[in-house]
Parts: sequence; structure tokens; C-alpha cells
Amino acid sequence: KNEVEQSPQNLTAQEGEFITINCSYSVGISALHWLQQHPGGGIVSLFMLSSGKKKHGRLIATINIQEKHSSLHITASHPRDSAVYICAVPPPYGGSQGNLIFGKGTKLSVKP
Amino acid sequence: NAGVTQTPKFQVLKTGQSMTLQCAQDMNHEYMSWYRQDPGMGLRLIHYSVGAGITDQGEVPNGYNVSRSTTEDFPLRLLSAAPSQTSVYFCASSRTVGAGGMMNTQYFGPGTRLTVL
Repeated sequence: KNEVEQSPQNLTAQEGEFITINCSYSVGISALHWLQQHPGGGIVSLFMLSSGKKKHGRLIATINIQEKHSSLHITASHPRDSAVYICAVPPPYGGSQGNLIFGKGTKLSVKP
Repeated sequence: NAGVTQTPKFQVLKTGQSMTLQCAQDMNHEYMSWYRQDPGMGLRLIHYSVGAGITDQGEVPNGYNVSRSTTEDFPLRLLSAAPSQTSVYFCASSRTVGAGGMMNTQYFGPGTRLTVL
């Protein structure tokens, strides 16, 4: 089974700060997902990446396949970024293909 | 497109009752799945389907049944509700799994908050 660990569990920041959320996994993967869960409960997919870096607005996701580690960065954070950020990976080869294993999430609170 | 829809949004059951959580998507996605989310735990897969007529168990399937008679719909049935099934349930869909098992972007429904007394 692929173990997914996120850090920190909780993060409080002041508006404008640069934020980093980390994700580590135990088994080599083909791609990693970052998702955002809004305070109201809805979940949206932010990124799916298999190498290097992806950027969308103020969000940047990076992955180091060799080190089995990914980071999600938020530049110029804003209170509307307050949410739970979830990292997910597919199971190792031979597992149920197409299913994701989720981390427990990082709860981010950005204060004005 | 409505995306992924789930009904009901909230439900309270008594132990032993049965019910069906509805999930529908209008994106012609072949892959659909049900997850449960509990405090302090990541989303866990209950059942999934790779197409109409094909379903399989996930990590926590006990106490739940599914069927997939159409591409659009993927209902989740609780056969005899237990307090341990109190949770938030999410349905998700995506295009067919890619080469090497790579999952495509998943689209989530708004969730159903279920309480079993």
C-alpha cells in the first residue's frame, strides 16, 4: 500500500504570506494529485502532475519523483485560500488501478 | 453541465434502516467511485466502477452495495445502516484511467452527510 503523509496538519498564515504544504509517499507513482476542499465541503482538483512543476494562478505544485515528495505553494496568500489541501497518489503497481490513496489533508487558515 | 450531482445532501437514519445515496454525472465519464470521509482520516474508497455493468470493491466495502446500469448513474446502497457508517460520502467521476493506471482528473459531487443513530 502506498502511504501518504502530509505536513503540516494545520497551518495558520497572515494574508500575503508564502505558504508551503508538503506531501511524501512511500511507493513510486505515475502521477500525484493535489485537491482543495472548501470550508463548505466541496472538493476540487487543483493539479495532477508526474514531473517537474505546474502553476495555476498563485498556486504552484512541484514534485520530485526520486525523493517521493511533492510540495504545494501558495504565493501572496489570501483569506479565500483557507481550505483543506489534500494530496493523493495511485496505488502501487498491482493495486486497484485508477483508485487514489489520499493523505489526511492540511488545514490552512489565512488571516486578514 | 451539472457535473457530478448527489442526493440527498443530508440524511439521518436509524440503525438497521436501508437507503440509497444517489450519484449522477453528465460528462460521459466511464470511471465513477464512492468515498467516505471521516474526521482525522483521508478519503477512503468504498466501491468503484470502470464502466456500465462493471463494479469492484475498494478499501472499505462492507455494508455497502453498488450497481452501474448506466454510464450516468452510480447509486450507493446501505443495506442495514450502522452507527459506524456515520460519515460524509462523496461520489466522484473521471475519464477512463489512462496508460499505466494513471488516474485522470477526478470531479467530485458536493457530498452527502449521513448520520446513523
